[in-house]
Amino acid sequence: DAKTTQPPSMDCAEGRAANLPCNHSTISGNEYVYWYRQIHSQGPQYIIHGLKNNETNEMASLIITEDRKSSTLILPHATLRDTAVYYCSSTYSGGYQKVTFGIGTKLQVIP
Amino acid sequence: DAEITQSPRHKITETGRQVTLACHQTWNHNNMFWYRQDLGHGLRLIHYSYGVQDTNKGEVSDGYSVSRSNTEDLPLTLESAASSQTSVYFCASSPGTGPISTDTQYFGPGTRLTVL
Repeated sequence: DAKTTQPPSMDCAEGRAANLPCNHSTISGNEYVYWYRQIHSQGPQYIIHGLKNNETNEMASLIITEDRKSSTLILPHATLRDTAVYYCSSTYSGGYQKVTFGIGTKLQVIP
Repeated sequence: DAEITQSPRHKITETGRQVTLACHQTWNHNNMFWYRQDLGHGLRLIHYSYGVQDTNKGEVSDGYSVSRSNTEDLPLTLESAASSQTSVYFCASSPGTGPISTDTQYFGPGTRLTVL
């Protein structure tokens, strides 16, 4: 299972793009990269996931490097409600589903 | 609306007591998971299930057990609660079709357990 590494904290000005990096250098070819976030004490919430190609949905964009050793979650226009802990995780597709979470990045959106 | 619920939301118990945390989902998801969350450790997988009568150990399963008698529920039991098990516990589910799945996990609101 891939181990993920993220910076413990980041700040972003409101209205600006937030770029959250994740290193998953040991990821295998069939492991997906997933991003979740946790607001205050709520349960984690799904944001986006991808395997090889860049992905975009209504919440965010996911950029995965060609070698798949790292990825970046982009919140295009951060709002105060985006203040949360963001988790990069991996899940194995070949044998069984096993999601691993690191300690996440605490994103503080500043007015 | 379909949802995933946990009960109780807060629990205080004493060392040595047996405690059961409930998790119930109405999505008819095959896969269900239990995690604990502690400062400095993120989320750690305790047990997981891919369907009725199926249970598997996660990375921190010692002192915990689960059983899956129906699709909707995966109760987590602490056989003899210890202070080290003071934590926030999250249940999650995903659609899945058995073990091979990359589906999104949907998390419950969590249970805060304190063991005195």
